[in-house]
Amino acid sequence: GAGVSQSPSNKVTEKGKDVELRCDPISGHTALYWYRQSLGQGLEFLIYFQGNSAPDKSGLPSDRFSAERTGGSVSTLTIQRTQQEDSAVYLCASSTRTGQGIQYFGAGTRLSVL
Amino acid sequence: GQNIDQPTEMTATEGAIVQINCTYQTSGFNGLFWYQQHAGEAPTFLSYNVLDGLEEKGRFSSFLSRSKGYSYLLLKELQMKDSASYLCAVHNNNDMRFGAGTRLTVKP
Repeated sequence: GAGVSQSPSNKVTEKGKDVELRCDPISGHTALYWYRQSLGQGLEFLIYFQGNSAPDKSGLPSDRFSAERTGGSVSTLTIQRTQQEDSAVYLCASSTRTGQGIQYFGAGTRLSVL
Repeated sequence: GQNIDQPTEMTATEGAIVQINCTYQTSGFNGLFWYQQHAGEAPTFLSYNVLDGLEEKGRFSSFLSRSKGYSYLLLKELQMKDSASYLCAVHNNNDMRFGAGTRLTVKP
């Protein structure tokens, strides 16, 4: 695709429900990142995928958060039993390679947990 | 731990020059990035430094000193549209660590 695509753009859910956020990276990009950005804050690293290697999950805030990447392309971030503090914008980025690869960001999913 | 520090807010006048500083302490270093983020939008890439020195790209320049753990972003001939948050990010092994961002307001 032309850019990184994320869906949905907005998600409102009730506390305790599970949510799935989707990211379609730029075609051919092997690296994929998930970040979380709370209002007025910087980006918090969540998880990183590189090709078919095991993901770097070091940034996931709790075991309620998980992510997978199927076929080295589309990724899904799942948040189980959502809490109000999970409310934030979830950004996905992809790049051609690690290290010097410029990251291209999607528009994000704004998650609101009521 | 890993720290990336930058000022929270800055204000400057249209047509002027502004320098946004970033200091970092990370366990590894593979390069430093600057991103621009307008309110409600995704970050977009501005510049990348991996070696010491100045990288110039039009009105924007970025400087890096690895020994000092220091970078700055220099914006010249400020325009109103430059009002945005500027994020400093360090690529460290397999991940990218971002600072909290500097919110720049350009006034007429």
